[in-house]
Amino acid sequence: KQEVTQIPAALSVPEGENLVLNCSFTDSAIYNLQWFRQDPGKGLTSLLLIQSSQREQTSGRLNASLDKSSGRSTLYIAASQPGDSATYLCAVEGGSEKLVFGKGTKLTVNP
Amino acid sequence: DAGITQSPRHKVTETGTPVTLRCHQTENHRYMYWYRQDPGHGLRLIHYSYGVKDTDKGEVSDGYSVSRSKTEDFLLTLESATSSQTSVYFCAISGTGRTGELFFGEGSRLTVL
Repeated sequence: KQEVTQIPAALSVPEGENLVLNCSFTDSAIYNLQWFRQDPGKGLTSLLLIQSSQREQTSGRLNASLDKSSGRSTLYIAASQPGDSATYLCAVEGGSEKLVFGKGTKLTVNP
Repeated sequence: DAGITQSPRHKVTETGTPVTLRCHQTENHRYMYWYRQDPGHGLRLIHYSYGVKDTDKGEVSDGYSVSRSKTEDFLLTLESATSSQTSVYFCAISGTGRTGELFFGEGSRLTVL
């Protein structure tokens, strides 16, 4: 059974810092990996989708990488801003399973 | 933003009563999903649909049923609500299913007393 782990569970950084969020998964036979953002009391917003054949995706200040063989993905946020404060979740899809989510990393960017 | 509307957004009910949550989409997407989100467990799939009248179970389907009679509507029913079903329920849609981007509704917070 696929398991997705996100470490750390919470992260606090000063504004302007570059940061990396980590996601690991146990079964490397995946179709894709998605990164989401969730603001308090809100639904999830898709940030980046990486297909299994891809190594990375970029959107603005966000860059997500995928290393299937090691079962890892990272979300890089450049020049962090207070507006980036949210919970970030990764999810993988593979085999007969639908998306399996990690429990998220709660990011706080301090002004 | 993807056109997904969940109703009701908040509901308080008593143990043993039936509850139906509705997800309505205006995107004409084929795939629709119901998740629940709980502290310590993250998001877990309850049921999903891959077309009108085509549904299947997810990871935590016990105590829940679903129906999809139209492309745009996906209903989640708790036949007899229990306190363990207190949660935030999210509907999600995807145009392409596997390998597709997932779009989420705003959530429905259900409290079972």
